[in-house]
Amino acid sequence: KAGVTQTPRYLIKTRGQQVTLSCSPISGHRSVSWYQQTPGQGLQFLFEYFSETQRNKGNFPGRFSGRQFSNSRSEMNVSTLELGDSALYLCASSLPTGTVNSPLHFGNGTRLTVT
Amino acid sequence: DQQVKQNSPSLSVQEGRISILNCDYTNSMFDYFLWYKKYPAEGPTFLISISSIKDKNEDGRFTVFLNKSAKHLSLHIVPSQPGDSAVYFCAAFPGGSGNTPLVFGKGTRLSVIA
Repeated sequence: KAGVTQTPRYLIKTRGQQVTLSCSPISGHRSVSWYQQTPGQGLQFLFEYFSETQRNKGNFPGRFSGRQFSNSRSEMNVSTLELGDSALYLCASSLPTGTVNSPLHFGNGTRLTVT
Repeated sequence: DQQVKQNSPSLSVQEGRISILNCDYTNSMFDYFLWYKKYPAEGPTFLISISSIKDKNEDGRFTVFLNKSAKHLSLHIVPSQPGDSAVYFCAAFPGGSGNTPLVFGKGTRLSVIA
């Protein structure tokens, strides 16, 4: 079974631009979560989608948004990029039952660098 | 406010010895805990979990201990191997609803020296 696929792997953008990251979950997984990893801050929760609906949202500004499609694929968008948005963005999927019975399975991430 | 704390950013251990990674939490609603391992350029992978109804869970060389009264858990790796060198994240969530996001610690970088 294929794992979680994130594209692109690396991205370099300029301040003020916007970016869209893509995530394809494991087949059969309907929940997709996004996390931001920065040095010294660990994994910070961005949002979670289930059946095309945002089910949870972390404490990030409105410049960060996401969506989920009917095939469970998800995208996240960051508008008006700032230098501090440079990070590894991780997508994770899980079964509908949630993380009690189904730990999150992570992709390899998209490394975003804002210059 | 950091609800899950891993106070040791790094740890070095000799091959064959025990590695002990610690994690503290502040939210008394947390009742399900997980450990993830992350290699460079890869996403975190699930390692082991424990529910609050247990105080120990073992899987091969990996054992997680939970002390609810102290709000503390630890991951023991015995014996440590060079391939265990990675960043280890502790994570927690209140398991009742099943759809609450995981809260992660900042991670501990383990180096196993041959």
